[in-house]
Amino acid sequence: GNSVTQMEGPVTLSEEAFLTINCTYTATGYPSLFWYVQYPGEGLQLLLKATKADDKGSNKGFEATYRKETTSFHLEKGSVQVSDSAVYFCALLINTGTASKLTFGTGTRLQVTL
Amino acid sequence: SQTIHQWPATLVQPVGSPLSLECTVEGTSNPNLYWYRQAAGRGLQLLFYSVGIGQISSEVPQNLSASRPQDRQFILSSKKLLLSDSGFYLCAWSLGGNTIYFGEGSWLTVV
Repeated sequence: GNSVTQMEGPVTLSEEAFLTINCTYTATGYPSLFWYVQYPGEGLQLLLKATKADDKGSNKGFEATYRKETTSFHLEKGSVQVSDSAVYFCALLINTGTASKLTFGTGTRLQVTL
Repeated sequence: SQTIHQWPATLVQPVGSPLSLECTVEGTSNPNLYWYRQAAGRGLQLLFYSVGIGQISSEVPQNLSASRPQDRQFILSSKKLLLSDSGFYLCAWSLGGNTIYFGEGSWLTVV
């Protein structure tokens, strides 16, 4: 079956520190990969995505590269801000032919302090 | 541009009471619609999805049901809530099997 494994949190960083959140996946077929972010009390927002191997998704200073050989999609940011504090979800999407379905990781909470 | 709205945002319901959460999508036609649940300490679980009016697929057996009476309307219901139904419910949409976009979510507390 399909699954996503994320590093467990919480991750606590000082402002301007480098961020890496690891994500690996198992999938049948060729999934698209996503990072979603959930700010406190809010729904999920799409952060970035990649639809095929070697694609790099980027948004708001965050980046992730689709690595088929290591089945990974690690999230990185060079310099985090307090406003980046949130829960980050890695997910894969498989198109079943009737409807696409997302499989999520368990989420990683990031807390950035001054 | 497309937008998605769901309501109510927060509700507290007694055990055994009914539930109705509503979701509408604007700015598109014939979207795929989804209901997800995020329970405390757990990940996101797909509950239902719909590829068209009146077409509902259930992913997990439970105390909930879903309906799609109109093209852009998706409703999550229960006749009698259980404590275990508490959680954060998210409606979502997609077009053509591509990216899935989420609403603001509804917090349900069953007491």
